Amino acid sequence: KAGVTQTPRYLIKTRGQQVTLSCSPISGHRSVSWYQQTPGQGLQFLFEYFSETQRNKGNFPGRFSGRQFSNSRSEMNVSTLELGDSALYLCASRRAIIYEQYFGPGTRLTVT
Amino acid sequence: QKEVEQNSGPLSVPEGAIASLNCTYSDRGSQSFFWYRQYSGKSPELIMFIYSNGDKEDGRFTAQLNKASQYVSLLIRDSQPSDSATYLCAVTGPGANFGNEKLTFGTGTRLTIIP
Repeated sequence: KAGVTQTPRYLIKTRGQQVTLSCSPISGHRSVSWYQQTPGQGLQFLFEYFSETQRNKGNFPGRFSGRQFSNSRSEMNVSTLELGDSALYLCASRRAIIYEQYFGPGTRLTVT
Repeated sequence: QKEVEQNSGPLSVPEGAIASLNCTYSDRGSQSFFWYRQYSGKSPELIMFIYSNGDKEDGRFTAQLNKASQYVSLLIRDSQPSDSATYLCAVTGPGANFGNEKLTFGTGTRLTIIP
């Protein structure tokens, strides 16, 4: 069974731009979560979607948004990029809310 | 108070010995507990999950859960250099109930196995 896939794997953007990251969950998984990981802050929860509905949200500004499609694929958007948004963005999927999560390889975003 | 606490380490263990990693959590209502391994530059990999009090064994790994004391631990037997990584503890979030099972992660313990 294929794992969680994320595209692109690496991205370089300029401050002020916006970016969209994509995540395809494991087949049959209906929940997708997004995390930001930086050396200083560790793994920070952004949001979780289940059946196209946002079920949980972390403490990030409104510049961070996401959505989930009917096929469970998810996208995350960051508008007006700041230098501090440079991080590894991880997507994780699980079969349903109460089950274990599996992570994708991540998207390394660098904002210059 | 941090919701999930781990000793950041680094924890150094000789090859072949038992590595013991600990995690405490603040929400008594937490129901699900997970251990992830993360190699440098890679994404977290799920290695164990445990839902009930007691021990759960999988190969060289044993997860131990004590809900009364609010701690979960991971034992790695016969430690190998390939076990050198950061280990993340994750717990269902505060006020967890069905439909709101947000995972909260600790900051991780860096483990080094010394050959």
